[in-house]
Amino acid sequence: NAGVTQTPKFQVLKTGQSMTLQCAQDMNHEYMSWYRQDPGMGLRLIHYSVGAGITDQGEVPNGYNVSRSTTEDFPLRLLSAAPSQTSVYFCASSLLGTLNTEAFFGQGTRLTVV
Amino acid sequence: AQSVTQLDSQVPVFEEAPVELRCNYSSSVSVYLFWYVQYPNQGLQLLLKYLSGSTLVKGINGFEAEFNKSQTSFHLRKPSVHISDTAEYFCAVSAGGFKTIFGAGTRLFVKA
Repeated sequence: NAGVTQTPKFQVLKTGQSMTLQCAQDMNHEYMSWYRQDPGMGLRLIHYSVGAGITDQGEVPNGYNVSRSTTEDFPLRLLSAAPSQTSVYFCASSLLGTLNTEAFFGQGTRLTVV
Repeated sequence: AQSVTQLDSQVPVFEEAPVELRCNYSSSVSVYLFWYVQYPNQGLQLLLKYLSGSTLVKGINGFEAEFNKSQTSFHLRKPSVHISDTAEYFCAVSAGGFKTIFGAGTRLFVKA
């Protein structure tokens, strides 16, 4: 059982480049989300989705786009990378509206923007 | 909206000593509360969760937490820590598995 899979694990970008961080889950979870983790700031919610075709902004959405065309996939796009986007990115998924609300996390993508 | 405050950024403790990691939350609605652990260079994994019922919740690796509604707290405890417990611990709150909000984290250092 793969759980939540993120690719790539590491990435270096130049300022202004664009890229897509991939996230896939095989647990048929309705809810998926993206976080960024920075020292001393914990995890901050970037975008989230409650199902295919439905996305919304979290705490720090600027500079990022998402889409949810299938239940399984939730890619995060950086349109024009900036050094401030250097961070570790985590994708998570969970069920909605039940008692089993644990979030399952991917292993993270460490992104450096130079 | 929900928010989470972890009161200690770092907690050093000697092996086999007890530890408490403090967490306070605020919310205008009923919430679910969680503690996650992150080992170096890994993702987060669930330690324990409070959904309803008994306010004392037991989790993996000998950890437990107590939900205190009047003090809006959800402190994590372990009676005797091991070197292997060295990690970062995150308190989190969500409303029905939706928009989970995390605290800033507490780094636990267990010394021999």
